[in-house]
Amino acid sequence: EIVLTQSPGTLSLSPGERATLSCRASQSVISSYLVWYQQRPGQAPRLLIYGASTRATGIPDRFSGSGSGTDFTLTISRLEPEDFAVYYCQQYANSITFGGGTKVEIK
Amino acid sequence: QVQLVQSGGEVKKPGASVRVSCKSSGYTFSNYGISWVRQAPGQGLEWMGWISADSTNTNYAKKFQGRVTMTTDTSTTTAFLELRSLRSDDTAVYYCARDPYGALFDFWGQGTLVTVSS
Repeated sequence: EIVLTQSPGTLSLSPGERATLSCRASQSVISSYLVWYQQRPGQAPRLLIYGASTRATGIPDRFSGSGSGTDFTLTISRLEPEDFAVYYCQQYANSITFGGGTKVEIK
Repeated sequence: QVQLVQSGGEVKKPGASVRVSCKSSGYTFSNYGISWVRQAPGQGLEWMGWISADSTNTNYAKKFQGRVTMTTDTSTTTAFLELRSLRSDDTAVYYCARDPYGALFDFWGQGTLVTVSS
């Protein structure tokens, strides 16, 4: 099983700041098989990024994904109030596993 | 628009079974499978398994094999999750999600809270 470790656990930032979230895999993941979701409080998760870097339909371009091998990054260029949420990475190269999540909270 | 609407919350006793439904609309049901993902209170996401729209293919996570059954009814575009031998640590919100081939989840249901308590 591929273990995904997300860091930091919590990121405290102000609106307008840049957020950089990390997802590290226990073994190499084909980039095509790395996905990011956003989950706002009390809501179901929402697909943000697939194939490590392709934004899903309707996702603003302030969200970007990058990385390869075992290290992947989700970047939010300028935080909007609605971006304060929990973010999960997920892989499907070997079964399906999720990272533990990074909470982006208002500083 | 694509919608997945799940059945209401359930309270079950340890050892019982639960069945959760997920009705899809707004897309061609036969073109997409359904995955089930659960989330314990205050915890992260856990994938349980995937079923093709016509029920001919399933892929259950090892943790749940023998205790879970996923089915679909194409006539009503509804997917079902049955989990047996419930324990207190099965208390969670259970989500269905549209999933083309057992990989990623582009639309999600609203979630169903299953509480297991004596």
